[in-house]
Amino acid sequence: DAGVTQSPTHLIKTRGQQVTLRCSPKSGHDTVSWYQQALGQGPQFIFQYYEEEERQRGNFPDRFSGHQFPNYSSELNVNALLLGDSALYLCASSRRGSNEKLFFGSGTQLSVL
Amino acid sequence: GDSVTQMEGPVTLSEEAFLTINCTYTATGYPSLFWYVQYPGEGLQLLLKATKADDKGSNKGFEATYRKETTSFHLEKGSVQVSDSAVYFCALSDRVGAQKLVFGQGTRLTINP
Repeated sequence: DAGVTQSPTHLIKTRGQQVTLRCSPKSGHDTVSWYQQALGQGPQFIFQYYEEEERQRGNFPDRFSGHQFPNYSSELNVNALLLGDSALYLCASSRRGSNEKLFFGSGTQLSVL
Repeated sequence: GDSVTQMEGPVTLSEEAFLTINCTYTATGYPSLFWYVQYPGEGLQLLLKATKADDKGSNKGFEATYRKETTSFHLEKGSVQVSDSAVYFCALSDRVGAQKLVFGQGTRLTINP
């Protein structure tokens, strides 16, 4: 049983560009959230999706947007990239309404030059 | 808002030494508390959790007790191994299955043989 899978594993972009990161949740999970982990820092919650809608959002600008598909997979889009967007982006999944732990993917390392 | 503060790192110990990593939190209500571990190149893994005051979470020889009076959740292990080398994160959420976690900044632990 595959866990949470993220793609790509690494990505290099330049300032002002746009990027899309992808996440497939663990089998049986329907809720996905995204986190940003800057170097040497703890992950910060970006937003959560279930039933194809954004349900909760952290303190991130509108440049960060997302999408969830009918198969529960998700995308994170970041527009107008800034140098400060360089970070490890983590996806986590769970089954809505359960008290199970979150499962995290290994992340996408984004470098903005 | 809610926040988590961990002891500054990095922490370097010899094998079989006693480990303590301090964690304090600020939250409204009665949060659930967690310790996550991040091994190089891997996603975050839940190490242990506690959901109410005086609960003790334990796993793989690690323990942490939910102390509401001191708003703390310190991680301890009696005898560390080289394989325990990783980054440890203290985190809280409003319930166990919640997608939104608030993380501390992480503590890098290195165990020397």
